[in-house]
Amino acid sequence: EAGVAQSPRYKIIEKRQSVAFWCNPISGHATLYWYQQILGQGPKLLIQFQNNGVVDDSQLPKDRFSAERLKGVDSTLKIQPAKLEDSAVYLCASSRAGGRPLVEQFFGPGTRLTVL
Amino acid sequence: QQQVKQSPQSLIVQKGGISIINCAYENTAFDYFPWYQQFPGKGPALLIAIRPDVSEKKEGRFTISFNKSAKQFSLHIMDSQPGDSATYFCAASGAGGFKTIFGAGTRLFVKA
Repeated sequence: EAGVAQSPRYKIIEKRQSVAFWCNPISGHATLYWYQQILGQGPKLLIQFQNNGVVDDSQLPKDRFSAERLKGVDSTLKIQPAKLEDSAVYLCASSRAGGRPLVEQFFGPGTRLTVL
Repeated sequence: QQQVKQSPQSLIVQKGGISIINCAYENTAFDYFPWYQQFPGKGPALLIAIRPDVSEKKEGRFTISFNKSAKQFSLHIMDSQPGDSATYFCAASGAGGFKTIFGAGTRLFVKA
């Protein structure tokens, strides 16, 4: 089966600009996750979708970050306006069973964002 | 209480040696402990996982040891190979809405 697809792979922007990332999960996977991975740290969950509903967005900086999952398939994560501390790799992951953490998550290759 | 502490930050092992990475957690509600392997430019991939009802799980050269009373678990890589050179993350999650919490990662380098 095809893996999780993400684009773009790399993005460089100036602070205060906006940026959007796209994710296409594995076909049939109900749950989609967006993680932020800062250099030298483990991934941190930003938001989790079950189909097209939000399960957990407690760590999403909602003043500048937004995410949506249309029709329960693809998802976009947006940052507006970006700050220097947003420089990180943004990982998308998906899993079969919705809402259960005991299921393997499949990660995409990530988008490396650099904010200058 | 939601943290997962991982050590060491980096590890250099000779080919054929044993690599050991340790993790500790605080929240006793965690009941699933996966290890992920990440190569440069790639997303993490599940390597092996354990539930706290067993003390050890082995898959090929990879073994998880779990100490429930100490709230610690570790990854052992036997006969380490240069191809094992990657960053390894331990993680913890559980039922009841607990998100997956990742450790900070261990960068492993296996010398040929």
